[in-house]
Amino acid sequence: DIQMTQSPSSLSASVGDRVTITCRASQTISRYLNWYQQKPGKAPNLLIYTASSLQSGVPLRFNGSGSGTDFTLTISSLQPEDFATYYCQQSYNIPRTFGQGTKLEIK
Amino acid sequence: QVQLQQSGPGLVKPSQTLSLTCAISGDSVSSNSAAWNWIRQSPSRGLEWLGRTYYRSKWYNEYAVSVKSRITINPDTSKNQFSLQLNSVTAEDTAVYHCAREVDTPTVRGFDYWGQGTLVTVSS
Repeated sequence: DIQMTQSPSSLSASVGDRVTITCRASQTISRYLNWYQQKPGKAPNLLIYTASSLQSGVPLRFNGSGSGTDFTLTISSLQPEDFATYYCQQSYNIPRTFGQGTKLEIK
Repeated sequence: QVQLQQSGPGLVKPSQTLSLTCAISGDSVSSNSAAWNWIRQSPSRGLEWLGRTYYRSKWYNEYAVSVKSRITINPDTSKNQFSLQLNSVTAEDTAVYHCAREVDTPTVRGFDYWGQGTLVTVSS
């Protein structure tokens, strides 16, 4: 199975800050990397697919990049509604696997 | 607009079978560009993909090794839904269970629609 490792596990930031979350795959996954946002009691919500494509309806302040084994999710200017947990997920092969999550908290 | 509506019991006794259903609206379980998945989430295991069913001229099923001996995912074309059965459950199977659609084309992947989630507790 491909292991997905996110860092950091948690992050404190303020409204307006620029934040970056990284995700590393245990083997190359080309660009088959997706990012999700999850709020308490809700299902994950797809933000970015195939590394850098913005899902419909997702604000432009969310940006994904990377290929191979190393990927990043950047939020350019944090808004109050962005405080949540973020997950990466590989769709290169089966089984699909997720990172352990990055909890973004208000400083 | 695609919607996935989950149903099934929230409490299952140890050694019994967990059964959930995911009803699809706005798409077809027989779609040639989608796969229909079950994913569970718990504090100890995080997000764990369990398996999927999809149609590409014939039906395919793929399962996680960790549950492969206990799991069945079945499509129901007459009701446009798919189901999860997990046999011989233990407390370790306590989790929130999600169904999810995966766009599955050569250039686009990702779980873009999710059910509302069902907390299933395994307890006597």
